[in-house]
Amino acid sequence: GAVVSQHPSRVICKSGTSVKIECRSLDFQATTMFWYRQFPKQSLMLMATSNEGSKATYEQGVEKDKFLINHASLTLSTLTVTSAHPEDSSFYICSAMTPSGSNNEQFFGPGTRLTVL
Amino acid sequence: AQKVTQAQTEISVVEKEDVTLDCVYETRDTTYYLFWYKQPPSGELVFLIRRNSFDEQNEISGRYSWNFQKSTSSFNFTITASQVVDSAVYFCALSERGGSQGNLIFGKGTKLSVKP
Repeated sequence: GAVVSQHPSRVICKSGTSVKIECRSLDFQATTMFWYRQFPKQSLMLMATSNEGSKATYEQGVEKDKFLINHASLTLSTLTVTSAHPEDSSFYICSAMTPSGSNNEQFFGPGTRLTVL
Repeated sequence: AQKVTQAQTEISVVEKEDVTLDCVYETRDTTYYLFWYKQPPSGELVFLIRRNSFDEQNEISGRYSWNFQKSTSSFNFTITASQVVDSAVYFCALSERGGSQGNLIFGKGTKLSVKP
């Protein structure tokens, strides 16, 4: 159980376009989802915390108008990178926490590799 | 402020050697959770272990073992008789907020290369 999927797994786009990444909890309801970004050979950095039905909480330095997060249901959160630029190329990983949030365990998606040309 | 330090950037060992990956953390909370994840070249994070701050008992799972020492704020990870398939980047992480806001703070990771 506790499977999280991400779609697409890989995307290449032109500079200036917008890209939407979906994160789904397949067999449980996730009241909280997290979005992380990982640049090559670096660690994962939290971008934002997404709670179902409310606005996302962004970490310092993350532009909320550029990285739009929608957590419209208990099984789906989306991250839209608007007007993407080459510096947005990165590995984006989502995670989901069960409603009980027991032991703070998060279940991670497989990640989405974004390349902006 | 919370922080996770993995001082070893890269480690290279020969198959069958034992290897220990260090993790030191900082937090002001008395309740927190520590994690280890494995990230193979495919990129997907593989959960290895979770420990809460009240459980200092060391744990062994097959070739993996963890040593949690609150006195030194360390949560080290040892792989016994390493194998080539253990080659990956290993991340130590800290979560210090309970309930639904338990976002993870990751260390910078240690890249382990196990050579045949």
